[in-house]
Amino acid sequence: DAGVTQSPTHLIKTRGQQVTLRCSPKSGHDTVSWYQQALGQGPQFIFQYYEEEERQRGNFPDRFSGHQFPNYSSELNVNALLLGDSALYLCASSLRVGTGFGNTIYFGEGSWLTVV
Amino acid sequence: AQTVTQSQPEMSVQEAETVTLSCTYDTSESNYYLFWYKQPPSRQMILVIRQEAYKQQNATENRFSVNFQKAAKSFSLKISDSQLGDTAMYFCAFMKSGGAGNMLTFGGGTRLMVKP
Repeated sequence: DAGVTQSPTHLIKTRGQQVTLRCSPKSGHDTVSWYQQALGQGPQFIFQYYEEEERQRGNFPDRFSGHQFPNYSSELNVNALLLGDSALYLCASSLRVGTGFGNTIYFGEGSWLTVV
Repeated sequence: AQTVTQSQPEMSVQEAETVTLSCTYDTSESNYYLFWYKQPPSRQMILVIRQEAYKQQNATENRFSVNFQKAAKSFSLKISDSQLGDTAMYFCAFMKSGGAGNMLTFGGGTRLMVKP
């Protein structure tokens, strides 16, 4: 049973460019969340997708957008990259139904984005 | 909004000894969940232990246990018989009960080094 998979593992982009990160949730999970983890800090919630719609959003600008596909996989897009966008981007999957404590949230290993 | 604070940026412990990691949080919610996650150098977030706020009994998972003080809004993690494999970043996290889904608010983390 595959866990949460993310791609690419590492990437380097130039300031002003756009980037797309991808996530496949754990088998059977229908909800995908994205977190940004700057170096030496805790993860911060970006947004969550369920039924192909953005359901919750953290304090991130519109440059951060996402998408969820019918197979529950998801993409995170960041436009007009800034140096401060350099971080580890974590994808987390869970079950929407019965939300709360009963659902274990599984994380991927993340995508390291460096903006130069 | 919820906040989670981990006041110990770094800690070290000798192998086989016991260490306690501190976490405090601030919320106006009456029902919620608290978690400790471990993030080894592989970067993948691994759930260590979790606690439901309405349960007075402290959670225990093998060598890991918590001291949950709801009135004080404190949630510390005790690791007994520390092992070299426990070396990692540890994050305390908060989740509201019910509502919109599985969104975690993380603290800034504590880097734990287990010394042989």
